Amino acid sequence: GIQVEQSPPDLILQEGANSTLRCNFSDSVNNLQWFHQNPWGQLINLFYIPSGTKQNGRLSATTVATERYSLLYISSSQTTDSGVYFCAVKGAGGSNYKLTFGKGTLLTVNP
Amino acid sequence: SAVISQKPSRDICQRGTSLTIQCQVDSQVTMMFWYRQQPGQSLTLIATANQGSEATYESGFVIDKFPISRPNLTFSTLTVSNMSPEDSSIYLCSVEDRSVGRGEAFFGQGTRLTVV
Repeated sequence: GIQVEQSPPDLILQEGANSTLRCNFSDSVNNLQWFHQNPWGQLINLFYIPSGTKQNGRLSATTVATERYSLLYISSSQTTDSGVYFCAVKGAGGSNYKLTFGKGTLLTVNP
Repeated sequence: SAVISQKPSRDICQRGTSLTIQCQVDSQVTMMFWYRQQPGQSLTLIATANQGSEATYESGFVIDKFPISRPNLTFSTLTVSNMSPEDSSIYLCSVEDRSVGRGEAFFGQGTRLTVV
């Protein structure tokens, strides 16, 4: 099946700093999503972005499908940005009914 | 976007017992998905639940351990049977909004299960 790798696995920032999270995937995809899991375990949808660029406030994401990667940018980080960020993809091949998740990036933003 | 209500939000259970988790969606959906997230790990798909047919289980998950019901297009339950401490995880249900491209996934708030 499709493989999803996220980097870095852990990231510690001071409030106000910027960061870039990366998601590499091993095959063509027809769905790519970024999620934020808060400390209570809830998954929050950030972006549905199988290709192109989107922005939502301090967050933006870019997916270059032909090169099989996606980037999530967080600017002017806040302590509430802390948590785990997951990238999840749905392969364009036979098993295209399910999402495959990366292992996540644990972000800690210190005041 | 779909609104998903999942309950209970958390529970502490004795080993050997069973827990049923409920998932209610505010719109009719064809497929509902159940995931497990073990401590410190990523999400793993347990099974896909279709209304009117048996659930489809992923490798490593069996119906006897994780029976699923799907009585209608807005509701599903997952039971964790004969629990052991290794079943301590967050369990999440998910649906797809098919009006968005190939389907944008949305998740319930999760059930944090601790087995003692």
